Amino acid sequence: DAGVIQSPRHEVTEMGQEVTLRCKPISGHNSLFWYRQTMMRGLELLIYFNNNVPIDDSGMPEDRFSAKMPNASFSTLKIQPSEPRDSAVYFCASSPRTGASGTDTQYFGPGTRLTVL
Amino acid sequence: QQQVKQSPQSLIVQKGGISIINCAYENTAFDYFPWYQQFPGKGPALLIAIRPDVSEKKEGRFTISFNKSAKQFSLHIMDSQPGDSATYFCAASKGSARQLTFGSGTQLTVLP
Repeated sequence: DAGVIQSPRHEVTEMGQEVTLRCKPISGHNSLFWYRQTMMRGLELLIYFNNNVPIDDSGMPEDRFSAKMPNASFSTLKIQPSEPRDSAVYFCASSPRTGASGTDTQYFGPGTRLTVL
Repeated sequence: QQQVKQSPQSLIVQKGGISIINCAYENTAFDYFPWYQQFPGKGPALLIAIRPDVSEKKEGRFTISFNKSAKQFSLHIMDSQPGDSATYFCAASKGSARQLTFGSGTQLTVLP
C-alpha cells in the first residue's frame, strides 16, 4: 500500500499566484481531511470530505481557499491568490469509515511545504 | 479557542528514562483521545488511542493514562530510546464527528 500521496512535496511561489495542492487518499478510504501545520497555530483542520462530499469546511481560513474532491481517489486544495501568511505545511489524511464512531484512524500523507514569497 | 492544551512544549530525556507528556481538554463531549507521533519531514502517525471508559491503555512501551474527572490524559513512554525522538501530538474528537482537535505538540529529544 503506497499510503496517502501528496504532490508537490515542496512549492515555492510568489504572492498573488494560484497554488494547487493535490492528494490521493488510500484506496478504499472514504473520508479525506486537509490540515495546515504552522509553528504558530499547530495542526489545524481546514476541511473534510466524506464520500467525496464536503462535510465541514469551517476551518477554511477565507475565500481564497477552496477544496474539491471530484472522485474517491483525488482531491485538490487551491489557494488563489496566495499570500505570504499561507506559508505552511499542508497535510492530507484519509480514513476508512467502519462505523458511526469518530474513532477511525487518520492516515497522513507526507505533506506539501508551501512557501509564498 | 484552544480546546486541547498540551505540555510541555519540549522535553529532553536520557535514554532509558520515562517521558511524560500531558494534555487537558475542555469539552466534556470528547470521547476519543489519540496520540500521534511525527518525525521531521513526515506526516503524523497514530501511536495509541483511548476512550474514556478505561483509565489506562498500554501498548508496548507506550501508555495512555486517562483521568475523566480532571479532564486530563497523558502519554508515558517507558525506557525511552533515541529513536523515540519526535514531536508528539495529543488530540480529541467527539461522537460521530470525524474532526480531530490537536494539542500544540511536544518535541521530545532522547539523549543517547
